[in-house]
Amino acid sequence: ETGVTQTPRHLVMGMTNKKSLKCEQHLGHNAMYWYKQSAKKPLELMFVYSLEERVENNSVPSRFSPECPNSSHLFLHLHTLQPEDSALYLCASSQMGLATGELFFGEGSRLTVL
Amino acid sequence: KQEVTQIPAALSVPEGENLVLNCSFTDSAIYNLQWFRQDPGKGLTSLLLIQSSQREQTSGRLNASLDKSSGRSTLYIAASQPGDSATYLCAVPSGTYKYIFGTGTRLKVLA
Repeated sequence: ETGVTQTPRHLVMGMTNKKSLKCEQHLGHNAMYWYKQSAKKPLELMFVYSLEERVENNSVPSRFSPECPNSSHLFLHLHTLQPEDSALYLCASSQMGLATGELFFGEGSRLTVL
Repeated sequence: KQEVTQIPAALSVPEGENLVLNCSFTDSAIYNLQWFRQDPGKGLTSLLLIQSSQREQTSGRLNASLDKSSGRSTLYIAASQPGDSATYLCAVPSGTYKYIFGTGTRLKVLA
C-alpha cells in the first residue's frame, strides 16, 4: 500500500453509537492531520499530531477524540455525535521540517449521523 | 491573518480549451503553495507544489506559476478534457502546522 489510506470509506451511525475512523500513512511522514469537510464549506482543520504528540486542537467538541499510537497511524474516535457532524472526514500527512512539506490526503470517510 | 481566495468559484468550458484558475493570498511570506484536485466525495489529490523560490512547476498538461510579490498563483490547464472536471483548491502554509485553503474552483469540461 502507498500513500494515505482511510477506513471505513462510508459510515452510518446513530447518535448514541461509538465508532472510530482509522488512517494509516505509508510515506514516512512525521505529521498527521484530521480535517472536516462539510457541504459548501471550506476545509476545517480539527487536529494535528507531530511525532505522535497533539500540537493542534481547533476547538473541536469532546465527542471527537483523536488518538495517534505511532507516527503511521491516526484514529478519530466518535461518540454521541449530532446530525450536524455528518461530513467527509479527511486524514492527511506531511513531513514537517524547516519549511512546511507537501500535504497528502486519504480518500476520506463519509460519515452520516442519523 | 492569511486569507486565500479563488476566483472564479465555478467554470464551465468546452473540451479542448486552455484555461487558467486563479489563487490569491494576502500574506506573501509563504514557504510554498500547493494545488489540489478533488473529485466529488473523494479526498484531495496533490497536483503541484511550488516552493517560494520557484516561479513555475509543470506536470503534464498542468502548469502552476507563483508570484509572491503580488500574492497570486495560477494553474494553467492545457487542452482540457472531460476527465479534468473536478474542484481545484490551492493551499498555503500558515505557521508550523496549519494550511490555509481556498474555497476552490469547480470546473466542468463539456464533451
